[in-house]
Amino acid sequence: DGGITQSPKYLFRKEGQNVTLSCEQNLNHDAMYWYRQDPGQGLRLIYYSQIVNDFQKGDIAEGYSVSREKKESFPLTVTSAQKNPTAFYLCASFPYGEGTEAFFGQGTRLTVV
Amino acid sequence: AQSVTQLDSQVPVFEEAPVELRCNYSSSVSVYLFWYVQYPNQGLQLLLKYLSGSTLVESINGFEAEFNKSQTSFHLRKPSVHISDTAEYFCAVRETSGSRLTFGEGTQLTVNP
Repeated sequence: DGGITQSPKYLFRKEGQNVTLSCEQNLNHDAMYWYRQDPGQGLRLIYYSQIVNDFQKGDIAEGYSVSREKKESFPLTVTSAQKNPTAFYLCASFPYGEGTEAFFGQGTRLTVV
Repeated sequence: AQSVTQLDSQVPVFEEAPVELRCNYSSSVSVYLFWYVQYPNQGLQLLLKYLSGSTLVESINGFEAEFNKSQTSFHLRKPSVHISDTAEYFCAVRETSGSRLTFGEGTQLTVNP
């Protein structure tokens, strides 16, 4: 089945550790996104990528890093510089073209203790 | 820059009552508009979208939304809600020439028996 896979679904880390969230898609989509979701704040864009080896900062990129070495994969690293990393993280993708909608993964809930 | 405002953070209604979830957007260029639905601890699913043409768009489960260019709005309506419609609803905008997808803060719809 085609889709977007985020893993793991739940992730726990100690404060000060970097952690990488996985996002893989087999939809052959060009563009991929990472969003952070906090209660009452909607979805805030962290990074997005329109093409392999290229990505742009979103609204809240500080403390995060990404790579796009393959079309299928867009991992997000939450670094120790991120002040408040506990949140629900959503990955999405869409085929870059006219009128297409984004498809979402099931999310990763990161808890930093 | 584009932005989205969802005017109600919480909307409680009784089963079989009508509902309207309000969404306003801001953009200096033409846009595509989307409504997504999210159930607890899951990703987002597309509910409906406006690309061009008829300003009234419908979903398969009875929701509809009307694009109003002069008022820059894309309100979501359903004439009779069910308990199963309880979820969080997100309005989103993307410029027709771009790939950046911007979301509103979300509206929690709670349908009570």
